[in-house]
Amino acid sequence: DQQVKQNSPSLSVQEGRISILNCDYTNSMFDYFLWYKKYPAEGPTFLISISSIKDKNEDGRFTVFLNKSAKHLSLHIVPSQPGDSAVYFCAAKGGKTGTASKLTFGTGTRLQVTL
Amino acid sequence: EAQVTQNPRYLITVTGKKLTVTCSQNMNHEYMSWYRQDPGLGLRQIYYSMNVEVTDKGDVPEGYKVSRKEKRNFPLILESPSPNQTSLYFCASSWRANYGYTFGSGTRLTVV
Repeated sequence: DQQVKQNSPSLSVQEGRISILNCDYTNSMFDYFLWYKKYPAEGPTFLISISSIKDKNEDGRFTVFLNKSAKHLSLHIVPSQPGDSAVYFCAAKGGKTGTASKLTFGTGTRLQVTL
Repeated sequence: EAQVTQNPRYLITVTGKKLTVTCSQNMNHEYMSWYRQDPGLGLRQIYYSMNVEVTDKGDVPEGYKVSRKEKRNFPLILESPSPNQTSLYFCASSWRANYGYTFGSGTRLTVV
């Protein structure tokens, strides 16, 4: 049962435009959400996170929006740059007591930023 | 440099031959975790540890063992590897429950 879903396996965006990556989850007990970026032959790199008590968190060109009622979060990258081309994973924490360190990942979205 | 180091980077082994993938972090993190990445399935948690001698199963623990005798090390043990354990493995650590994990560079394991 996939509790965290990224329904778009790939996305292509022109340099300078906005990239919007989406993520849906099914477990209403998740209370913390994270985005990771992954380049080939490297481990995932933490990008940005958001607590369930917030609906928006911003860090430079990256903004994460959380819609708890829809169980949906999105990552906005503005403006997109060629170096942003990578696979982006959405992840969620929480769910059961004692699982504070358990991260559930989505399947990833490959972003390609074209010139 | 703060990092998570896993070894080896690449490993080809035969079915049934016990192996260990090592993981070490130099950030004094309490939380450590192992993930496997498979096409179409994303990253799935195998085991995690909240501190020395405290470990718990993730989503796909079958066929794996871990130990946390020291804070910095969290080895992944495959007692009898099988071909369905062919995957890309990542070790990760974090100093607090709600902080992002720092990941190692990965170990690509092939079991033939």
